[in-house]
Amino acid sequence: AQKITQTQPGMFVQEKEAVTLDCTYDTSDPSYGLFWYKQPSSGEMIFLIYQGSYDQQNATEGRYSLNFQKARKSANLVISASQLGDSAMYFCAMWVRAAGNKLTFGGGTRVLVKP
Amino acid sequence: DAGVIQSPRHEVTEMGQEVTLRCKPISGHNSLFWYRQTMMRGLELLIYFNNNVPIDDSGMPEDRFSAKMPNASFSTLKIQPSEPRDSAVYFCASSVGQLDNQPQHFGDGTRLSIL
Repeated sequence: AQKITQTQPGMFVQEKEAVTLDCTYDTSDPSYGLFWYKQPSSGEMIFLIYQGSYDQQNATEGRYSLNFQKARKSANLVISASQLGDSAMYFCAMWVRAAGNKLTFGGGTRVLVKP
Repeated sequence: DAGVIQSPRHEVTEMGQEVTLRCKPISGHNSLFWYRQTMMRGLELLIYFNNNVPIDDSGMPEDRFSAKMPNASFSTLKIQPSEPRDSAVYFCASSVGQLDNQPQHFGDGTRLSIL
């Protein structure tokens, strides 16, 4: 069975600095994908970025980038130039082909951006 | 474009009552997911549908929970009878077909409180 772990329950970051959120996963399926979602205090879940297991390059989406290290089974999210609006919970989620359309979510990391 | 629409946004009811949560997926999406989010257990997948057919309901807690998708544009999650431990935020999400790099798009959730 697949497993996904976010070891940082919470962290502070100074405005305009970069922050890295850790995500490690475990699966024996060679076909999988990793998603990051943001959940602000208002509660909605916002898709940020995706990395597929066969993607040759690390995914980037604006200020978000994914540091994908396949051998280490990690898919860390990097947020550059943090803004106050980045304060939120961040969830890493994994899909594996053998499990169909299911997503397994990590426990989340709460980020607070300080002015 | 309209996103995933859930109703009601908030529901407060007494234990023993029937609760019905509603979801309208994004038009053209043929996969629909129901999640529950609590502080203790995080985000849990309850059930998902492909092309209106339930594919995996292994996350449904017990017989008090049931979900239907009578057509491509509507789904319900019903709890009968409700219990205080069912209090949570319930999310509906939809995606285009087989997951791969297609993210699940979430509704704003229904915050359910059972007294």
